[in-house]
Amino acid sequence: KNQVEQSPQSLIILEGKNCTLQCNYTVSPFSNLRWYKQDTGRGPVSLTIMTFSENTKSNGRYTATLDADTKQSSLHITASQLSDSASYICVVSGPNFGNEKLTFGTGTRLTIIP
Amino acid sequence: NAGVTQTPKFRVLKTGQSMTLLCAQDMNHEYMYWYRQDPGMGLRLIHYSVGEGTTAKGEVPDGYNVSRLKKQNFLLGLESAAPSQTSVYFCASSLTRNTGELFFGEGSRLTVL
Repeated sequence: KNQVEQSPQSLIILEGKNCTLQCNYTVSPFSNLRWYKQDTGRGPVSLTIMTFSENTKSNGRYTATLDADTKQSSLHITASQLSDSASYICVVSGPNFGNEKLTFGTGTRLTIIP
Repeated sequence: NAGVTQTPKFRVLKTGQSMTLLCAQDMNHEYMYWYRQDPGMGLRLIHYSVGEGTTAKGEVPDGYNVSRLKKQNFLLGLESAAPSQTSVYFCASSLTRNTGELFFGEGSRLTVL
């Protein structure tokens, strides 16, 4: 069964610090990997989408990396802000699969404290 | 543009009651999806649609029905609500099927007593 495992489950860091969230997946074959940010009580919002041929992708202070060989991805947040407090969800898709076949992780809940 | 709009945002039902969740998108997207989100679990697909007049079952379709009579609207119905359907429901849409970014609504929190 295709799985997406995220770690840690939760993380608390001081404002201004950097952090890295991890995503391991077993989806095979693999097509693309996405990171979403979900604020409390809101819907997920897309941060990055990477295909199997991409190693890194940035969106402002968010940088996602992908190692398709080890089936690992990470999301690095630089100079964290209070507004970064949210859940971050890793989502994986296989080739020839549409969005109806996405596998969602359970998310990492990030809390930024002043 | 409003993007994806869900109504209602909150609803409390008694076991056995019926209700309909409405999802509307103004981005002219072909593909629309209904998910449920439960604590400790990833989003799970209930039903989806690849265009006006079409619907298909997702991972957890039992107890739900859907309709897509108009391209911009995707309705999720519960005919006889059960406590196990207590959840947060998200609608999403995408322009393309494979790598198209999913745009989510704000969610509808449903409690079944």
